[in-house]
Amino acid sequence: DGGITQSPKYLFRKEGQNVTLSCEQNLNHDAMYWYRQDPGQGLRLIYYSQIVNDFQKGDIAEGYSVSREKKESFPLTVTSAQKNPTAFYLCASSIADGGAYGYTFGSGTRLTVV
Amino acid sequence: GQQLNQSPQSMFIQEGEDVSMNCTSSSIFNTWLWYKQDPGEGPVLLIALYKAGELTSNGRLTAQFGITRKDSFLNISASIPSDVGIYFCAGIQTGANNLFFGTGTRLTVIP
Repeated sequence: DGGITQSPKYLFRKEGQNVTLSCEQNLNHDAMYWYRQDPGQGLRLIYYSQIVNDFQKGDIAEGYSVSREKKESFPLTVTSAQKNPTAFYLCASSIADGGAYGYTFGSGTRLTVV
Repeated sequence: GQQLNQSPQSMFIQEGEDVSMNCTSSSIFNTWLWYKQDPGEGPVLLIALYKAGELTSNGRLTAQFGITRKDSFLNISASIPSDVGIYFCAGIQTGANNLFFGTGTRLTVIP
């Protein structure tokens, strides 16, 4: 079945460490997105990519980095520069029209700094 | 980013009751979408709206694209316990490359 897979589901990070969250899709979607969700909050856009080897900063890109070397994959690295990384991270994908037919979301990764 | 205001922020209702929530913006949108997020999961698309005034149903859910193109409404009839979750509106402006999401409405259904 086609879908979008995020791994791991739960991730613990020590302060000062970088950590990479995985996002893979087999929907043949051109566009992919990363969102951050804090408790009781909405979705805030971190980065998005419309095409392979290209990506754009969202509203809260500071302290994060991404790559888009393959159409299927859009990993997110949470760097030590992100001062408050504990959150629920959601990856999404869509066809290349800006999402008019909706985004397909993964099931999320909950990151906790210990 | 663009601000989409959802109301109410949270709702507590009895099973069987109808639910109404809305999403408003100061800007015009040409597409409105409604998502539901179950606890600990990603949002799932419920309904998509593409024309001002459009009224679309999906089972017990009905959504409308406001005439002014600055708002949208979602109604749930005869609520059941599995309706519990967070409901997000999302919109696309002409020429934009991504969705703007509302702040969400958290729904609790009391059996």
